[in-house]
Amino acid sequence: EAGVAQSPRYKIIEKRQSVAFWCNPISGHATLYWYQQILGQGPKLLIQFQNNGVVDDSQLPKDRFSAERLKGVDSTLKIQPAKLEDSAVYLCASSLDYGGAYNEQFFGPGTRLTVL
Amino acid sequence: AQSVTQLGSHVSVSEGALVLLRCNYSSSVPPYLFWYVQYPNQGLQLLLKYTSAATLVKGINGFEAEFKKSETSFHLTKPSAHMSDAAEYFCAVRPSGSARQLTFGSGTQLTVLP
Repeated sequence: EAGVAQSPRYKIIEKRQSVAFWCNPISGHATLYWYQQILGQGPKLLIQFQNNGVVDDSQLPKDRFSAERLKGVDSTLKIQPAKLEDSAVYLCASSLDYGGAYNEQFFGPGTRLTVL
Repeated sequence: AQSVTQLGSHVSVSEGALVLLRCNYSSSVPPYLFWYVQYPNQGLQLLLKYTSAATLVKGINGFEAEFKKSETSFHLTKPSAHMSDAAEYFCAVRPSGSARQLTFGSGTQLTVLP
């Protein structure tokens, strides 16, 4: 079974530029998550989708971050414009179903963003 | 809000020694608890989980953790460290009976010395 795919793996941009990250979840997984992991910290959830609808985006800085999952499969996370503090690893994860007592989240390798 | 605290951002053990990584949670009711491992330049991999069944949970790679409600703890242990265990370990919490978001601790970097 293929895992969660993310691209690019690394990205270096200057502040005020725009950047987009792509995620393809495990086939059949209804729920998709984007996390931000700043160096020395644990991952922090930015947004959670179930199919193509947003379940939780309470920690997404909506003035500069946006995300979509148009067909309920792959997803794109965009930052426009980027700030220095956006330097982090952006992790995508997916799980089988939103409902139920427990659903394991499977993580992709992440995209390491450096903002200069 | 629920949270987890990982005591010790860096832990070093000798190969073959006991590994003990500490995690304490704050919650009014017992939550679901997880341990993840992250190897360099890779995503997180689930080691084990507690979902209100057995309090002693066994995971992959010889790791286990014990849920102690009285101490609000979920420490991760392994009897004998191996060089391949060197990685960063994250404890995470999620409200029980809910599929809401995971909240991660700040992580513990484990170094295994030869």
